[in-house]
Amino acid sequence: KQEVTQIPAALSVPEGENLVLNCSFTDSAIYNLQWFRQDPGKGLTSLLLIQSSQREQTSGRLNASLDKSSGRSTLYIAASQPGDSATYLCAVPNTGGFKTIFGAGTRLFVKA
Amino acid sequence: DVKVTQSSRYLVKRTGEKVFLECVQDMDHENMFWYRQDPGLGLRLIYFSYDVKMKEKGDIPEGYSVSREKKERFSLILESASTNQTSMYLCASSRTVGLTSTDTQYFGPGTRLTVL
Repeated sequence: KQEVTQIPAALSVPEGENLVLNCSFTDSAIYNLQWFRQDPGKGLTSLLLIQSSQREQTSGRLNASLDKSSGRSTLYIAASQPGDSATYLCAVPNTGGFKTIFGAGTRLFVKA
Repeated sequence: DVKVTQSSRYLVKRTGEKVFLECVQDMDHENMFWYRQDPGLGLRLIYFSYDVKMKEKGDIPEGYSVSREKKERFSLILESASTNQTSMYLCASSRTVGLTSTDTQYFGPGTRLTVL
């Protein structure tokens, strides 16, 4: 059964710092991995989708990497800003078909 | 711009009431999902629909039912609301699903339901 773990559960950093969020998964036979952002009390917004044939994806100040063999993905945020404060979730498709397995998320606080 | 809308942002109901949560997407997506999100438990799939009038149970379908009469609309029904159904409910849609899908799910803003 696929399980997704995110560490740390919460993170507080000063503005301008570069940071890394971690995601690990137990079944390495995945075809893609996604990172989402969730603002308090709101829905999820897709940030990046990495296909299994790719090692990383970049969007602006965000860079996500995928290492299938070790069951890990990282989301790198460069020059963090207070507007980056949110919960970040990673997700992988379940081997059972239509389900997506989400991590519990990392809650990020960027202090001005 | 893609859009998934949910009928209410906040809802307060009493135990035993029948509750309808509505979700509408304007992207002509085949697949729609209902999740609930609780602190410490993350997102859990309640039901999934891959076509009009078609549905599949997710991980926690007990106490819920769904209806998909039109492609763009997916309703979650709490037949007799209970306090343990107090939660954030999120609807999502996607063009394709499955192990090899590279399509993301688009989420609505969520409905925070409180059952008293």
